[in-house]
This record gives sequence, structure tokens and C-alpha cells, in this order.
Amino acid sequence: DTGVSQDPRHKITKRGQNVTFRCDPISEHNRLYWYRQTLGQGPEFLTYFQNEAQLEKSRLLSDRFSAERPKGSFSTLEIQRTEQGDSAMYLCASSPERQRNTEAFFGQGTRLTVV
Amino acid sequence: GDSVTQMEGPVTLSEEAFLTINCTYTATGYPSLFWYVQYPGEGLQLLLKATKADDKGSNKGFEATYRKETTSFHLEKGSVQVSDSAVYFCALMGGAQKLVFGQGTRLTINP
Repeated sequence: DTGVSQDPRHKITKRGQNVTFRCDPISEHNRLYWYRQTLGQGPEFLTYFQNEAQLEKSRLLSDRFSAERPKGSFSTLEIQRTEQGDSAMYLCASSPERQRNTEAFFGQGTRLTVV
Repeated sequence: GDSVTQMEGPVTLSEEAFLTINCTYTATGYPSLFWYVQYPGEGLQLLLKATKADDKGSNKGFEATYRKETTSFHLEKGSVQVSDSAVYFCALMGGAQKLVFGQGTRLTINP
């Protein structure tokens, strides 16, 4: 399977714990995006990388959230001291750099439940 | 900033009915426009796209035309099927090189 891969698919954690999600983009896609989707809403942009550089972070991304893409391949999204409001689907997407304004390809997402 | 507004759902139709889901956008410059679909239990999939004014995107019987004069990208299908039941998202990608989504429209097709 050469699509975007996310791990884990589901995560249940207690409030106050830290969680880390992983995303493996489509091979050779330079851009990697993180989005958050809550029930009944469209995906909200969190952050994006071009290769290993984090180019933009949304105001939605509080200090408890950090994302990395150390070698320009896979990426991790960490949430520290989770809160119930962090419960959502976290989506990763990738796209090739060679074309501007091209579509992004999404993974299946990681569903986080904070109890 | 860039934004997308979709018609509110949910939308319920009978099989073989005509479908329109309205989408309008606000953006600077010349964004690309997309419709994504999310089937139950699955991830977001690209349904169709258009990259410049007057382009028509089409796929699986769905169509949408990029109308710059009305800043719209309405999704249409002439005869829907039960298998079209899903959530549909209109989105744009502009100069900031990130997708901006509408809130989604849940479509249910009854046999």
C-alpha cells in the first residue's frame, strides 16, 4: 500500500497523559499536513511541513502540541497533558511539491479519545 | 483569510434524484478547488478538482464547475445511488499551500 499511513488508528488516554501519533506520507511527497476533525465539522488545519521544515502553525496549535518531521519523511504529532477537548480525529495528508495548488492525499486518521 | 462555505445538511434524497450541494469560497488570487468525500468509517478521498476558472471537474457521475464570477463550485449529480451516501467536503488550496475546508454536508440516499 503506497498511501498515507497513520498509526495508531485509535487511542484512548486519560486526561493529563501525553500521546504521540505517527504519519508516513506517500513516498517522495515533500509536503506533509496535520489536520484535526471533530464530529460534524470539516478538517481544521494544524500545521504543515515542506521536507523537514515546519512552515506554518495554526493558532489552534497550543503550546501542548508539537509536530516534527526530522528527516523529511515520517512525521510525529505529540500532545502533552491531554485535555478532554483534544478528543478528535487527527488527520495527516501529503502532497507533492512539484505542483502548486495540487490536492493532498489523506490517511485514515487517528481517533483520539481523552477520558 | 481564505474560507469555504457549504450548504448546511443533512441532505436526504431518494435514489435516482438530482443532487446539488452548494459551495462558495473567499480567497485571494487563484485557488484550486476540490470536493472530497468521506464514506462511513473511511478516510477523506478526493472526488474531483478544478484548478482554474471555468474548469469542470468530474468523477463517478459527479460534476462541479469553477465559477470565478460567483466564487462558487457547486457539486451536482444527475442520478444519485444509495452508495453515494457519505459526507462531502468542499475545499480550496490557495497561495498559502494548505487546504481550507467547508464544514461538510452529510448526504443520505434512500432506496
